Amino acid sequence: DGGITQSPKYLFRKEGQNVTLSCEQNLNHDAMYWYRQDPGQGLRLIYYSQIVNDFQKGDIAEGYSVSREKKESFPLTVTSAQKNPTAFYLCASRRGLREKLLFGSGTQLSVL
Amino acid sequence: AQKVTQAQTEISVVEKEDVTLDCVYETRDTTYYLFWYKQPPSGELVFLIRRNSFDEQNEISGRYSWNFQKSTSSFNFTITASQVVDSAVYFCALSKPGGGADGLTFGKGTHLIIQP
Repeated sequence: DGGITQSPKYLFRKEGQNVTLSCEQNLNHDAMYWYRQDPGQGLRLIYYSQIVNDFQKGDIAEGYSVSREKKESFPLTVTSAQKNPTAFYLCASRRGLREKLLFGSGTQLSVL
Repeated sequence: AQKVTQAQTEISVVEKEDVTLDCVYETRDTTYYLFWYKQPPSGELVFLIRRNSFDEQNEISGRYSWNFQKSTSSFNFTITASQVVDSAVYFCALSKPGGGADGLTFGKGTHLIIQP
């Protein structure tokens, strides 16, 4: 079955450490997105990519980095510059600009 | 500025009651898309509906119905005869301006609790 796989489900980060969240899709979608969700808040866009080897900053990109070397993969790195990284991270993709977003099951990141 | 407002932070009803979740949006686009998503405790957002701004017909799908009113910029969601399995956080979303290449604008969500 086609879908979006995020791993790990839970992740812990130590002070000064970079951590990478994985997002893989087998839907052949060109567009992929990373959102951050904080308790009681909506989803805020971190980065998005419309095509391989190209990506754009979203509303809250500071302290994060991404790559898009393959169509099916869009990993997100939370760098040590992100001072408040504890949140639920959701990856999404879609077939076209006016299509619905499909989401992965998310990664909960916490700080040790 | 584009915005989606879900004024109800949390709603609690007893099973079998009807419940309506409100969504009000702001956009300067004349063509746009509205969405509803459900987020159960597992965390994944599940797509429920997409509505084109040109189509103001109400939609019904089983116990779910949606009322889109362009005049009041509202896209409300009603669950009839609610069930415990409907307990979740529900998000309303709007396509971003200019074609929406950068995803959707989400409201803050409404936490719906259905008590048995």
